[in-house]
Formats: sequence, structure tokens, C-alpha cells
Amino acid sequence: KAGVTQTPRYLIKTRGQQVTLSCSPISGHRSVSWYQQTPGQGLQFLFEYFSETQRNKGNFPGRFSGRQFSNSRSEMNVSTLELGDSALYLCASSLGTREYQETQYFGPGTRLLVL
Amino acid sequence: QQQVKQSPQSLIVQKGGISIINCAYENTAFDYFPWYQQFPGKGPALLIAIRPDVSEKKEGRFTISFNKSAKQFSLHIMDSQPGDSATYFCAASKGGTSGTYKYIFGTGTRLKVLA
Repeated sequence: KAGVTQTPRYLIKTRGQQVTLSCSPISGHRSVSWYQQTPGQGLQFLFEYFSETQRNKGNFPGRFSGRQFSNSRSEMNVSTLELGDSALYLCASSLGTREYQETQYFGPGTRLLVL
Repeated sequence: QQQVKQSPQSLIVQKGGISIINCAYENTAFDYFPWYQQFPGKGPALLIAIRPDVSEKKEGRFTISFNKSAKQFSLHIMDSQPGDSATYFCAASKGGTSGTYKYIFGTGTRLKVLA
């Protein structure tokens, strides 16, 4: 099975711009979670989507949003970029059944640099 | 209550030595504790995980020790190898349908194994 893919791998934007990141989960996985990884804060949970609905949300401002499509692919959008948004954005997919603890499989990430 | 505290921040071990990374959590509702390994340029990959009904789990050279009363768990890497040099993250989550299903990650430990 192909793993989780994320595009693009690298992005450079300037303050005030907006950006859209894409994630394709492992085939058959219906849950997609997004994380922000920075050297000082580690991995911080942004949100989780399941069956096109946001099922869980972390403590990030409304500038961070996402959506999921019927094929489980997900996009994350950040509007009005700030310097502090520079980070590695990771997407993780899982089955999403929530019957028990599930393994999350991570993609390689999109590295965003805001100038 | 949602924090997972990880230590040390960095660790240098000689080849063949034992690497030990510790994590502590606060929320007693957590019921799944995975460890992830991340190499530069890659997303985190599941290494080993444990549930609180067991005190130890071993997979090859990797062992998780879990102390439920102290709310602590640790990763032991026996016979550490240069190829183990990576960043290690502990995490905690709660499965089921309670609505709190998300991973809380520690801040990571950068391990370097000297040849």
C-alpha cells in the first residue's frame, strides 16, 4: 500500500499570504489528522477529519482551517500567514473506527517558511 | 492536564549502550501510549506502543516500561546502534468514542549514537 503523501513538500510564502496544503491518506483510511511541528513546541494537534467532518480540534486560531473530501483526501489552509507559522506540517491517517486505539501513519510533511 | 512531558531533550550514547527516554503524563484518562521515531526529512513512524494494563512491552531491542501509579512511561533502547540516531517522541491518547480522541505528543528527544 502506498503511504501517506503530502504536497507540496516545501513552500515559501510571505506574511499576510495564505497557503493550502494537501494530504492523501493511505487507501482505506478515513481519518486524517494534521499536526504542526516546530523545534520548540514539538508536534501540536491542529484538527482531525473523518468522513468529511471535523471531528476534533486543537487550540489553534481560526486562521487554520481544513476540509476533507469524499475520497478522504484532506486540505489544510492557513490564512494571513505570520512568521510564527513557519513549521513542518504533518498529516497522519488512520482507519478512524475509534473502537480502540489506532495507529496513526504520518506523511513526510510540508515544510512552510514564512518570510 | 493534557501535557506529556518528555526528557531528556537530547541524548548521546555510545554504540552498544542503553538509551533511556522518559515521559510523564497528567490525564489519567489516557489509555494508549505510543512511541514514534523520526528521521530527518521524514514523518514520525510508530516504533512501539503500550496500553496501561501491562507494565512492560518488548519488541526486539526496544522496550516500553509503564508505571501507571506514577503516570510515567519510558523507552529503553538496548544495544543502541548508530542507525538508531533519530528524534523520538512519546505520545498519549484516549481511544473510544468519548470525543477526546487525539494524540498529545511530548516535545521529543534527539538521540545520537556514537560509532
